[in-house]
Amino acid sequence: DTEVTQTPKHLVMGMTNKKSLKCEQHMGHRAMYWYKQKAKKPPELMFVYSYEKLSINESVPSRFSPECPNSSLLNLHLHALQPEDSALYLCASSFSATNTGELFFGEGSRLTVL
Amino acid sequence: QQPVQSPQAVILREGEDAVINCSSSKALYSVHWYRQKHGEAPVFLMILLKGGEQKGHEKISASFNEKKQQSSLYLTASQLSYSGTYFCGTVGGQSGTYKYIFGTGTRLKVLA
Repeated sequence: DTEVTQTPKHLVMGMTNKKSLKCEQHMGHRAMYWYKQKAKKPPELMFVYSYEKLSINESVPSRFSPECPNSSLLNLHLHALQPEDSALYLCASSFSATNTGELFFGEGSRLTVL
Repeated sequence: QQPVQSPQAVILREGEDAVINCSSSKALYSVHWYRQKHGEAPVFLMILLKGGEQKGHEKISASFNEKKQQSSLYLTASQLSYSGTYFCGTVGGQSGTYKYIFGTGTRLKVLA
């Protein structure tokens, strides 16, 4: 199994809602990532988890809250988002965060904030 | 800090060749190349780990010049399936945790 699975594929939420994005991989990877991608722009790193611990936070606003319940799962909790947060959110994993291995990406969750 | 790619966009006819460049203002220890088709996730093409290393993947190859802090992706005899946006990715970070940062991207369209 070389897949990274993200749910939901599409999400529409209001600025007062609380929602979560989920990501799952069963490749035994110990590093997991959240990226944000706006249209026609490169993916922008948000968070890195290494061995289930938050390793990098790229100064992301607190309305985005990551969580790594176990080595296979990564969540992104969303609260009080702004319309400018509308984007494609990509989850990725790699064997380790301490070597330069390939990133495996999920299909992404397309978020629209009204 | 984000690597800069050139050109920003290129249109080719099937069978033509293209070169995509990636340039960084910081020292590069490795370079990754990814292709993203519209509405899909980025897909890994190759990693170059050493200065001067060249790698190939079918008719797509790449070089890495560590001294110039540059990498180039070569697409030979392009096919329709090569269309998409190409990103170089550089790796750096502190405390042993690597940050994968993507370049500005190059949109490639191959016409029949």
